[in-house]
Amino acid sequence: EIVMTQSPATLSVSPGERVTLSCRASQSVSDNLAWYQQKPAQAPRLLIYGASTRATGFPARFSGSGSGTEFTLTISSLQSEDFAVYYCHQYNKGLSFGQGTKLEIK
Amino acid sequence: QVRLVQSGAEVKKPGASVTISCKASGYTFINYHIHWLRQAPGQGPEWMGIIDPSRGATNFARMFQGRVTLTSDTSTSTVYMELSSLTSEDAAVYFCARSTANWASYFFDYWGQGALVTVSS
Repeated sequence: EIVMTQSPATLSVSPGERVTLSCRASQSVSDNLAWYQQKPAQAPRLLIYGASTRATGFPARFSGSGSGTEFTLTISSLQSEDFAVYYCHQYNKGLSFGQGTKLEIK
Repeated sequence: QVRLVQSGAEVKKPGASVTISCKASGYTFINYHIHWLRQAPGQGPEWMGIIDPSRGATNFARMFQGRVTLTSDTSTSTVYMELSSLTSEDAAVYFCARSTANWASYFFDYWGQGALVTVSS
């Protein structure tokens, strides 16, 4: 099983800041990597797929990069609605998720 | 618009089984696969299994094999997930989610709202 490790677990940031979230795979997943945003009491929402393709409905301040084992999700200027938990998900071999990074207001 | 609507919360005793439904609308049901995932409090989602509604073909994560049954009803565009022999470790929110039919693109573009399963004696 491919293990996905996200860091940090929690990130305290102020609105307007630029943030970078990390996701590492225990073996190469090529670019078969997705990111999801999850708000309390809601289902996850697809944010990025193919490591860097933004899903419908998300603004350009969200971007994904990486391939192989190292991936990042960048939010260029945090807005109030972006405070949530973000999960990475590999679908290269089996299907597995990271434990999430929680963005909280500083 | 695409929607996946799940049945409601369930409370079950240890050893019992639970069945959750997932009704799809807004797209051609047989052209996409439906996955089931669960999420325990404070944890990331955990993939359980997949069904191809066009053929009824299924595949499961190793830890759920023999305990999960997935079925689909194309007449109502509904998928059912049954989990048997429940223990306290099965307490979680259960989600259905849609992916393309391409195994190389098994990411989830639409999700159900989730169904909370509580296991308590």
